[in-house]
Amino acid sequence: EEQLVESGGGLVQPGRSLRLSCVASGFTFGEYAMHWVRQAPGKGLEWVSGISWNSGSIGYVDSVKGRFIISRDNARNSLYLQMNSLRLEDTALYYCVKEYYGMDVWGQGTTVIVSS
Amino acid sequence: EIVMTQSPATLSVSPGERVTLSCRASESVSRNLAWHQQKPGQTPRLLIFAASTRATGVPARFSGSGSGTDYTLTISNLQPEDSAVYYCQQYNNWPPVTFGQGTRLEIK
Repeated sequence: EEQLVESGGGLVQPGRSLRLSCVASGFTFGEYAMHWVRQAPGKGLEWVSGISWNSGSIGYVDSVKGRFIISRDNARNSLYLQMNSLRLEDTALYYCVKEYYGMDVWGQGTTVIVSS
Repeated sequence: EIVMTQSPATLSVSPGERVTLSCRASESVSRNLAWHQQKPGQTPRLLIFAASTRATGVPARFSGSGSGTDYTLTISNLQPEDSAVYYCQQYNNWPPVTFGQGTRLEIK
């Protein structure tokens, strides 16, 4: 069974940093692009960042450019999101998602709360 | 950035009926269009990819169609468990990936 498990969320003050991790299992991680998608409380889905299978292509939503960094370690079947200079509006449930003709496998998510 | 617009925002339908949800892209996404279902308190689930291909395990009463900028998700013989928010998503040429704002479907 293909599975994604996120970790690293928590309560953090504005301006501080947090690093999210996602461990994949049940598929050949290194063959697929991966993404982070977030959902603020009561809101819709928002793509945050994506990375191609070989890290050759990376993208971010405008609101996190210059603050967030996506990376992956194919040897460890892991995806990361380094979140710096966190803002109140970054509060959300962050999903790790595998891309295969859209987004076919979703993790359960890890919650990030930015609050003073 | 490709903007995805879904309509209607909410829908209330009786069991057994058929419903059509719409998704319009601000430019062609060349059928690189997916539909996701999110039930309350649950993780999103991929229903349809490539505009019309059902994902593994998705019942045949879910069907997708469309091309260019206009796409639809049709759900036939509505069941109580179909109550959810449905999102369209384009993956034609990221970054960025973009989602529609969602259609909330209520089964009366």
